[in-house]
Amino acid sequence: AQSVTQLDSQVPVFEEAPVELRCNYSSSVSVYLFWYVQYPNQGLQLLLKYLSGSTLVESINGFEAEFNKSQTSFHLRKPSVHISDTAEYFCAVSKILTGGGNKLTFGTGTQLKVEL
Amino acid sequence: GAGVSQSPSNKVTEKGKDVELRCDPISGHTALYWYRQSLGQGLEFLIYFQGNSAPDKSGLPSDRFSAERTGGSVSTLTIQRTQQEDSAVYLCASSFSGRTTDTQYFGPGTRLTVL
Repeated sequence: AQSVTQLDSQVPVFEEAPVELRCNYSSSVSVYLFWYVQYPNQGLQLLLKYLSGSTLVESINGFEAEFNKSQTSFHLRKPSVHISDTAEYFCAVSKILTGGGNKLTFGTGTQLKVEL
Repeated sequence: GAGVSQSPSNKVTEKGKDVELRCDPISGHTALYWYRQSLGQGLEFLIYFQGNSAPDKSGLPSDRFSAERTGGSVSTLTIQRTQQEDSAVYLCASSFSGRTTDTQYFGPGTRLTVL
């Protein structure tokens, strides 16, 4: 079975500091990995995804994640955070379903709190 | 364009009552998913639709839960004889075709509270 572990439930950080949100996965098959973000009182939004090819993927707002097969990790990083990055971040792995489609299995989430 | 919409945004019900939650996916998206977000269980998959068919219902927690989709568009999740453990945020997502490369777009969710 596939699973995702996010070890840090909360990560406080000062504005303009770097941040890393950790994600480890377990899967016996090829993986497709995602980071979703949930801003306060909003729905889940896709931040970035790894499907194949380059192991480093980037989002439009400065986040990046690197797929590391040997360490079964997909950590999310940003070199300089902004107050507006305060949100909950979910790592997810995809599993192909019967009849097509793909089910996302999510980690428990990491609350990123950016402070001035 | 319009995203995934869900209604109601909040629903408070008494234990034992039936509830219906609605999802309007993005127009043209053939794949539709229901997930549940609760304090105890985190985010968990419930059911997947491709068109009007539900090839995977493996995440439905009990036979009190059912869902249907009509016209390849709107979906309704029904919970019968609600229990307090059903309290959660129910999320709907849609994607263009259901392939892994397709992004799942989530709605804002329906917060269900069972008293």
